[in-house]
Amino acid sequence: SYELTQPLSVSVALGQTARITCGGDNIGSKNVHWYQQRPGQAPVLVIYRDNNRPSGIPERFSGSNSGIRATLTISRAQAGDEADYFCQVWDRNSYVFGPGTKVTVL
Amino acid sequence: QVQLQESGPGLVKPSETLSLTCTVSGASVNSGAYHWNWIRQSPGKGLEWIGYIYYSGTANYNVSLKSRVTMSVDTSNNKFSLKLSSVTAADTASYYCARVRVGGYHFDYWGQGILVTVSS
Repeated sequence: SYELTQPLSVSVALGQTARITCGGDNIGSKNVHWYQQRPGQAPVLVIYRDNNRPSGIPERFSGSNSGIRATLTISRAQAGDEADYFCQVWDRNSYVFGPGTKVTVL
Repeated sequence: QVQLQESGPGLVKPSETLSLTCTVSGASVNSGAYHWNWIRQSPGKGLEWIGYIYYSGTANYNVSLKSRVTMSVDTSNNKFSLKLSSVTAADTASYYCARVRVGGYHFDYWGQGILVTVSS
């Protein structure tokens, strides 16, 4: 089955830029989606199809997908961005999630 | 505004069947535009897709759970349901229902989740 890899944790200083990567076999050929999950809450879609933001998601959130990894970028990080972030793809008739990355804002 | 709400027992005994319902408002489960999904998250762990049901009753399940999962849709009451049989402690998790627009392949709306504990 298809597997996605993510760093366990990423730390970012307040106001700086965080980059969260998502790796997988030939991931550049897939549409990658990203979710934010704050403690005790349900996941929220923040990026779909590599680089599209749903309505209501700040422009500070952006995505890219090329080569061997997809990346979620959080610019001008705020305290409220502290959360777990999961990438997700569709592969062979099944939804697959990455293991998640915990983002800490210092 | 689309909303999904899970309901069901928070405690299930080992070997029994877990049954959950997702009530949808602001969208119709009878629409051919969406797949209605179940996803779970074990405490402190990642997300695991369980499967989806279509308005027609067609379902697609995660192969790792397929032998124990049954999903159904109740178009009259705008709900869909999950049954997971022969549960063990490993099935203890928060269970979420979520919507996917057909062709979108991402989950655009989620329920708040319900914690189900498997214990005697």
